[in-house]
Amino acid sequence: DTGVSQNPRHKITKRGQNVTFRCDPISEHNRLYWYRQTLGQGPEFLTYFQNEAQLEKSRLLSDRFSAERPKGSFSTLEIQRTEQGDSAMYLCASATWAERGSLNPTDTQYFGPGTRLTVL
Amino acid sequence: SQKIEQNSEALNIQEGKTATLTCNYTNYSPAYLQWYRQDPGRGPVFLLLIRENEKEKRKERLKVTFDTTLKQSLFHITASQPADSATYLCALGGGAGFQKLVFGTGTRLLVSP
Repeated sequence: DTGVSQNPRHKITKRGQNVTFRCDPISEHNRLYWYRQTLGQGPEFLTYFQNEAQLEKSRLLSDRFSAERPKGSFSTLEIQRTEQGDSAMYLCASATWAERGSLNPTDTQYFGPGTRLTVL
Repeated sequence: SQKIEQNSEALNIQEGKTATLTCNYTNYSPAYLQWYRQDPGRGPVFLLLIRENEKEKRKERLKVTFDTTLKQSLFHITASQPADSATYLCALGGGAGFQKLVFGTGTRLLVSP
């Protein structure tokens, strides 16, 4: 399977613990996104990378959240000192963004299956 | 402020009918608009993209329209089937300073046999 993969698929943790999620994008994609989604809502943007550079973080993103993409391939999302309000589905997506020479680039994203986090 | 609105109430239709979902936006001038399908507990799946200079796009039983004057996109599924039941998300992208997608909250479609 050459799609986007995420691990783990489910994570249950106690409040105050740290958790880390991993995303492996489609190999030729240079962009990688993290989203959070709660029931009945659309994906809420958290942050995104182009290659290894983190280009944007949501202003709503707490300092407890950090993401890395050290070699421009896989990415990790860490949540420190988890709170019950962090319970959600965490989605990763990847895309190809033409950095030069593309007349009309689009940001068509391919999503992974998500990691469901439950904070007790 | 920028806003993308999709009907938060579920759309219930009978099998064989045409489903029409709406996406409205304000304070935004996207270069393109995309529709995604999301099944419960899974990530969204890309369906269709339509650019600002296109009025209509079709793919099999799907049709999307894009009216930049009304700031609205309509998503149609003809001859709907129970397997079409899912949440459908619209997403806007492109335009000055907006190189990444912004998603709406989605509309749930239920097709009954």
